[in-house]
Amino acid sequence: SQKIEQNSEALNIQEGKTATLTCNYTNYSPAYLQWYRQDPGRGPVFLLLIRENEKEKRKERLKVTFDTTLKQSLFHITASQPADSATYLCALEGDMRFGAGTRLTVKP
Amino acid sequence: GAGVSQTPSNKVTEKGKYVELRCDPISGHTALYWYRQSLGQGPEFLIYFQGTGAADDSGLPNDRFFAVRPEGSVSTLKIQRTERGDSAVYLCASSLTGLAGGSDTQYFGPGTRLTVL
Repeated sequence: SQKIEQNSEALNIQEGKTATLTCNYTNYSPAYLQWYRQDPGRGPVFLLLIRENEKEKRKERLKVTFDTTLKQSLFHITASQPADSATYLCALEGDMRFGAGTRLTVKP
Repeated sequence: GAGVSQTPSNKVTEKGKYVELRCDPISGHTALYWYRQSLGQGPEFLIYFQGTGAADDSGLPNDRFFAVRPEGSVSTLKIQRTERGDSAVYLCASSLTGLAGGSDTQYFGPGTRLTVL
């Protein structure tokens, strides 16, 4: 069966550093993959979508890579800020299976 | 315009009772999704509507769960004979064209927190 794993439950980094979150999947070949942000008590908010034929996509301080050979996507936040603290979820296309999320805390 | 809204925001019920959770999608969005999220987990897909019909209900855990979208807009998730294990946040999302439209962004509501005592 399909499986999605996000590298860790929690990631703590210092303000200004780059945060890197990992999403791995098995038994599937998605045409695209999405990243969402979720704050406590709120629904997820869409951030970025990357297609299988795209190696990298950027949006402001965000960068996503997609390696279909490794079955892995990396999500980077550069020059991180305390306001970036949230849970970040990856989701595979199609039936929208979400990973468990990584809770990022950026300390001032 | 207004985003996806869900009512109630919180629902406390007793084991064995029936509950209805409502979702008002963004106007004009043809696709509507229901998810369930437990603490520390990602959203778990339940059902996806394209218009009035359930295009994929493979995520519904058992026949106690049922959802309708009679006019292709508002949707209601119905849970019969609730169990303590049903306690979770129930999220609704809508999108413009749905999965048939390819990469279609979903817009989520704030969720309904269901607690079954």
